[in-house]
Amino acid sequence: KQEVTQIPAALSVPEGENLVLNCSFTDSAIYNLQWFRQDPGKGLTSLLLIQSSQREQTSGRLNASLDKSSGRSTLYIAASQPGDSATYLCAVRSNQGGKLIFGQGTELSVKP
Amino acid sequence: EPEVTQTPSHQVTQMGQEVILRCVPISNHLYFYWYRQILGQKVEFLVSFYNNEISEKSEIFDDQFSVERPDGSNFTLKIRSTKLEDSAMYFCASSAREGSYNEQFFGPGTRLTVL
Repeated sequence: KQEVTQIPAALSVPEGENLVLNCSFTDSAIYNLQWFRQDPGKGLTSLLLIQSSQREQTSGRLNASLDKSSGRSTLYIAASQPGDSATYLCAVRSNQGGKLIFGQGTELSVKP
Repeated sequence: EPEVTQTPSHQVTQMGQEVILRCVPISNHLYFYWYRQILGQKVEFLVSFYNNEISEKSEIFDDQFSVERPDGSNFTLKIRSTKLEDSAMYFCASSAREGSYNEQFFGPGTRLTVL
């Protein structure tokens, strides 16, 4: 059974710092991995999708990497801003269908 | 930019009552999903729907739950007799096609409170 874990659970950094969020999964047989942002009480905004054949994907200040064999993904945020404060979720899509299996998220706080 | 919409944003109901949560997926999408998030917990998959039938469901999705696509635009989740533990944020999602390249887009959610 696929399990997704995110470390750390919470992270507080000063504005301008580069940071890395970690995601690990137990079954390396995945179709793809998505990173989401969730603001308090709000929905999920898709940030990046990495296909199983890709090693990384970039969008603006965000860069996500995928190492299927080790069951890991990282989300790198460059030059963090207070507006980046949110919970970041990773989710993997299993081989058995279209469902996403989520980690518990990393709550990021960027201090001005 | 197309987006998934959900109504209502907040639903309060009494235990034992039926509720229907509504979603309008992105118009050219073919795959539809419901997820839920109990406060402080992970987002959990409930059900996926394709070609007018359920393609997969989780253990949570028991006989009290049903889904329907009553017309070409709406996708609904019905809970027949709500329990206190059904209180959660319910998210609808849609994606364009099967395979490894599609992306799931989520709606803003419906917060269900069962009293």
